[in-house]
Amino acid sequence: AQSVTQLDSQVPVFEEAPVELRCNYSSSVSVYLFWYVQYPNQGLQLLLKYLSGSTLVKGINGFEAEFNKSQTSFHLRKPSVHISDTAEYFCAVRNQAGTALIFGKGTTLSVSS
Amino acid sequence: GAVVSQHPSRVICKSGTSVKIECRSLDFQATTMFWYRQFPKQSLMLMATSNEGSKATYEQGVEKDKFLINHASLTLSTLTVTSAHPEDSSFYICSAQPTGIYGYTFGSGTRLTVV
Repeated sequence: AQSVTQLDSQVPVFEEAPVELRCNYSSSVSVYLFWYVQYPNQGLQLLLKYLSGSTLVKGINGFEAEFNKSQTSFHLRKPSVHISDTAEYFCAVRNQAGTALIFGKGTTLSVSS
Repeated sequence: GAVVSQHPSRVICKSGTSVKIECRSLDFQATTMFWYRQFPKQSLMLMATSNEGSKATYEQGVEKDKFLINHASLTLSTLTVTSAHPEDSSFYICSAQPTGIYGYTFGSGTRLTVV
């Protein structure tokens, strides 16, 4: 079975600092990987996704992620965060049946001034 | 494009009553929709996969008689929480995948509080 591990439950950073949110996955087959952001009491918004091709994926709001097959990782990065980036971030993998997404436990990013 | 509308956004109901949550794909047809449940400060747990015109597929541990799912059209799936109890209080989110797009669109979620 596929699974996703988000290594940090909370990441506090100062405004304009760089940030990396870590995500590792386990799968014996090819996967599609996703990062979503969730603001309080709202649904999920897609930041970026990896399907195939270039391992460096650029998303919205200045975020990017790098797919590393040998390390089974898909870490999310942003070179300079804003207060408005404060939210919950979820890494997800598409399951073996190729239908629903399986989510990690989430990482709370808190940006302060 | 690819918008999923979920309604209501918040609902408070008395213990023992039933609550229906709607999930609509506004600008695409969704043969498959997904229902998730999210507890506070936790991840999204897949409850069931809703298939248009057929029975939903429930994940292990999810009571199908308690969480009734109906997917009667290509744009509407409903989740009915029957005989709700306080432990059913949670945030419920639906999702759909537009055909040909390897991305999933999520509704804005429904906060259910059972008192």
